[in-house]
Amino acid sequence: SQKIEQNSEALNIQEGKTATLTCNYTNYSPAYLQWYRQDPGRGPVFLLLIRENEKEKRKERLKVTFDTTLKQSLFHITASQPADSATYLCALGLPYGNNRLAFGKGNQVVVIP
Amino acid sequence: NAGVMQNPRHLVRRRGQEARLRCSPMKGHSHVYWYRQLPEEGLKFMVYLQKENIIDESGMPKERFSAEFPKEGPSILRIQQVVRGDSAAYFCASSRDPGRDYEQYFGPGTRLTVT
Repeated sequence: SQKIEQNSEALNIQEGKTATLTCNYTNYSPAYLQWYRQDPGRGPVFLLLIRENEKEKRKERLKVTFDTTLKQSLFHITASQPADSATYLCALGLPYGNNRLAFGKGNQVVVIP
Repeated sequence: NAGVMQNPRHLVRRRGQEARLRCSPMKGHSHVYWYRQLPEEGLKFMVYLQKENIIDESGMPKERFSAEFPKEGPSILRIQQVVRGDSAAYFCASSRDPGRDYEQYFGPGTRLTVT
């Protein structure tokens, strides 16, 4: 069956350190992968997109890698700040899928001052 | 430049009533997606619409649920004869041409509670 797995345990990290989140998937062949941030009671906010032919993407303190052989994406927040505390969602964009996204359940990050 | 707007933000319905959820996409966006988020679950795709067309409704329950995106006005997600299991957060997202620009912009959601 198709699965998108993100760690269900919250990641507690000291301010200034790098937070690394993992997204693993099975029985999907995504054309691209996106990461979103979601705060309690709010809608997801788009952060980064990486295509299947790209290995790495960066935006300010964020970095995403995409390994289609391992079927895995890693999401990094460098120099983390308390304001980065949120739930981060991995979403797969399916080829010929009319741009509909398949989401993981999300991974909560708590940055400790 | 207003973002995606959804209303109402909170909606309470008794079992058997109808729920209507509205979504106005971002300016310049003509593609709308509806997702449902159950407690402790990830977002699940429901339906993808363009103006006056349903493009993909593979995630919609076969009964009681319908969606539209008329030429004028917001997109509407309609749930007839609601049951307790329909209680969830419903998010709308919009995008430009998905053939070139994949980013989806989400609204704040409508939280439906069925009593």
